[in-house]
Amino acid sequence: KQEVTQIPAALSVPEGENLVLNCSFTDSAIYNLQWFRQDPGKGLTSLLLIQSSQREQTSGRLNASLDKSSGRSTLYIAASQPGDSATYLCAVRVITGTASKLTFGTGTRLQVTL
Amino acid sequence: EADIYQTPRYLVIGTGKKITLECSQTMGHDKMYWYQQDPGMELHLIHYSYGVNSTEKGDLSSESTVSRIRTEHFPLTLESARPSHTSQYLCASSEYKGLNEKLFFGSGTQLSVL
Repeated sequence: KQEVTQIPAALSVPEGENLVLNCSFTDSAIYNLQWFRQDPGKGLTSLLLIQSSQREQTSGRLNASLDKSSGRSTLYIAASQPGDSATYLCAVRVITGTASKLTFGTGTRLQVTL
Repeated sequence: EADIYQTPRYLVIGTGKKITLECSQTMGHDKMYWYQQDPGMELHLIHYSYGVNSTEKGDLSSESTVSRIRTEHFPLTLESARPSHTSQYLCASSEYKGLNEKLFFGSGTQLSVL
């Protein structure tokens, strides 16, 4: 059974700092990995999707890397801003027979302070 | 911003009541999902649909039911609410394009059963 772990559960950094969020998964036979952002009381917004054949994806100040063999992904946020405060979740997709399954981590709650 | 809407945003209700959580999307997406999320926990898939007249159970056993009579509408019903149903319910949709589908989430319904 695929398990997705995100450490730390919570993180507080001052504005302007670069930071890294971690995601690890137990079964390396994934098809892709996604990073989502969730604001309090809201749904999820997709940030980046990395296919299993890729090493990284970039969008603005966000860079996600994937090391499939070691079961790890990182989300790098450059020059953090208070507006980046949210919970960040990673999710891996595996193929099960003719279907696929998306397994989510529990998230890292990020607070960027002034 | 995604055009997927959930109502109500918050619902407090007594044990034994029948409730329906509404989810509508205006993007013409075929695939729709219902997830359940407890605070600090991962999302669990409870129902999904490939299109009109298609409904499937997800990974997490749920006493809820769903219907998909119209493409844009995917309501979730609890016939008799119990305190164990207290949770946040998130609806999502995607324009299914294989395994790299991008999910769009609603803002969620926070359900409290007294």
